[in-house]
Amino acid sequence: AQSVTQLGSHVSVSEGALVLLRCNYSSSVPPYLFWYVQYPNQGLQLLLKYTSAATLVKGINGFEAEFKKSETSFHLTKPSAHMSDAAEYFCAVTHAGNMLTFGGGTRLMVKP
Amino acid sequence: DGGITQSPKYLFRKEGQNVTLSCEQNLNHDAMYWYRQDPGQGLRLIYYSQIVNDFQKGDIAEGYSVSREKKESFPLTVTSAQKNPTAFYLCASSPQGGTEAFFGQGTRLTVV
Repeated sequence: AQSVTQLGSHVSVSEGALVLLRCNYSSSVPPYLFWYVQYPNQGLQLLLKYTSAATLVKGINGFEAEFKKSETSFHLTKPSAHMSDAAEYFCAVTHAGNMLTFGGGTRLMVKP
Repeated sequence: DGGITQSPKYLFRKEGQNVTLSCEQNLNHDAMYWYRQDPGQGLRLIYYSQIVNDFQKGDIAEGYSVSREKKESFPLTVTSAQKNPTAFYLCASSPQGGTEAFFGQGTRLTVV
């Protein structure tokens, strides 16, 4: 079985501050991990993915995530938040041949 | 351009009527999915199909039906048996093998 927990349904940061969105997973086999972003009334767009290569993964819009097996975590970070980063973010896990399992989502708010 | 097209983007229906949401993909993906999204509840899987002429129930299939007669198309019917159909519906597809899913832009269904 696989599952994903996103800590914090809402996160608020000031513009220019560090963004940290937390994701912990459970999987009985080596996982593939993903972060998606969703803007209001739109579908989900892939930000980045981990598929057992480098543990530090760089994505679009300046985001990156680090796979830490010992902590079963895949937290999403961005050094400096921009107003346009305000959106909902979803972490997801799968392994070969299986379907994606999504976390509950984290809404990121960016204050001017 | 390859992608997933959901139509319409907004849909209004009277209570008690069946309504069909369209989802078409030209990515040559084998697997297709329907998710329901309500505020604060993340994504919930309604139905999925991994091959033409075959589909399985997800976590919240009651009151919904699907068909998969063609690889490119996976329409979702919201029936009058669905108690609370007002929601945002997302269609996705993926190649086989546990890689990432690609999402359409969603259909917002409002039942009055």
